[in-house]
Amino acid sequence: DAGVIQSPRHEVTEMGQEVTLRCKPISGHDYLFWYRQTMMRGLELLIYFNNNVPIDDSGMPEDRFSAKMPNASFSTLKIQPSEPRDSAVYFCASSLGLAGGSGELFFGEGSRLTVL
Amino acid sequence: GENVEQHPSTLSVQEGDSAVIKCTYSDSASNYFPWYKQELGKRPQLIIDIRSNVGEKKDQRIAVTLNKTAKHFSLHITETQPEDSAVYFCAAESRGSQGNLIFGKGTKLSVKP
Repeated sequence: DAGVIQSPRHEVTEMGQEVTLRCKPISGHDYLFWYRQTMMRGLELLIYFNNNVPIDDSGMPEDRFSAKMPNASFSTLKIQPSEPRDSAVYFCASSLGLAGGSGELFFGEGSRLTVL
Repeated sequence: GENVEQHPSTLSVQEGDSAVIKCTYSDSASNYFPWYKQELGKRPQLIIDIRSNVGEKKDQRIAVTLNKTAKHFSLHITETQPEDSAVYFCAAESRGSQGNLIFGKGTKLSVKP
């Protein structure tokens, strides 16, 4: 397996524009997570899915953020409209199970977002 | 919910010395504590983990200890090498979030040759 695949790797956009980040989890993994990484706040969980169903979205900062998982092999994180404070590295991760079980997280390479 | 504190935020050691990173957690129900290493510009990767039924686990030059009574756990790296330079994240299982992981803010380790 090629691992978790994210695109784009880098995105530079202007404030107010829509941003869509994409993720392909490892085949067979039932859990998919979206994290945001900044210097100030570290790794923050935004949302996670189990079998394509959103389980916990309490980390999604505002209504400007939305995430979908239409099938087992694809997820998107959308920011509309984007703001400069959204600039961060966004990681997608997948796992076979939850923490405590078979819950090793496998991270993608991340999408570095810069909002000007 | 779970809260994980990690110290220090930066750590600089000479090659060959030992490095210790400490974390505390708040949820006494947590039973799983992994450590992830993130090299510059790369993805975080699991390097070692420990479950609450053991107090210590070793893997070559790295070891993790867990004190459930005090709710803290530590990462120990012996005989450090320049390739150990990275950001290290501790994490704790958050039972309140159905088994999700809560991460510490990370420790940037620099190993000077």
